[in-house]
Amino acid sequence: SQQGEEDPQALSIQEGENATMNCSYKTSINNLQWYRQNSGRGLVHLILIRSNEREKHSGRLRVTLDTSKKSSSLLITASRAADTASYFCALGAGKSTFGDGTTLTVKP
Amino acid sequence: DTEVTQTPKHLVMGMTNKKSLKCEQHMGHRAMYWYKQKAKKPPELMFVYSYEKLSINESVPSRFSPECPNSSLLNLHLHALQPEDSALYLCASSQGWGGGNSPLHFGNGTRLTVT
Repeated sequence: SQQGEEDPQALSIQEGENATMNCSYKTSINNLQWYRQNSGRGLVHLILIRSNEREKHSGRLRVTLDTSKKSSSLLITASRAADTASYFCALGAGKSTFGDGTTLTVKP
Repeated sequence: DTEVTQTPKHLVMGMTNKKSLKCEQHMGHRAMYWYKQKAKKPPELMFVYSYEKLSINESVPSRFSPECPNSSLLNLHLHALQPEDSALYLCASSQGWGGGNSPLHFGNGTRLTVT
């Protein structure tokens, strides 16, 4: 199975600041997906970006994909306390699995 | 609230018990999944059903037995579990299973404690 690796492992910011987290991978992919998980809850799908796309937006979320560097980034702008969660990338290539995630803490 | 419903939300069972976890979705999805998640770890894939047939078993011990009675329901039967099996069990569904090309929709999980 294929797995992305997120960094940083943990990120702590103030409300209103932007948060950036990265995902690197080693295989060819069809798409890359980002998920959010609030503590003790299920994962919520945020964005799917296909291998032929470079950037995608959804509300305050911006995802980029660089297939030449085998990396993706998730930017959350104007963060809120409610954005506190763990964020995972998943590779849409064969049997995708989740990396260890980035734990984001947004302080009010 | 999610569109994938898991019951029960919490389960405490002894090592000799038999119990079942249930998952239901009404989105017309044809692929359903079981994941296991330990604290502060990512979800680990256990099983994938595609069109009600078991497509993937990630070498899961036989004390976990999945069942897909129809396209909307997914069960996980538990028997003779060990304390280390205590975890959050997540069910997910997707429109299809073309090797990870469809977003996954997750339930909120069953928190299982084995005593």
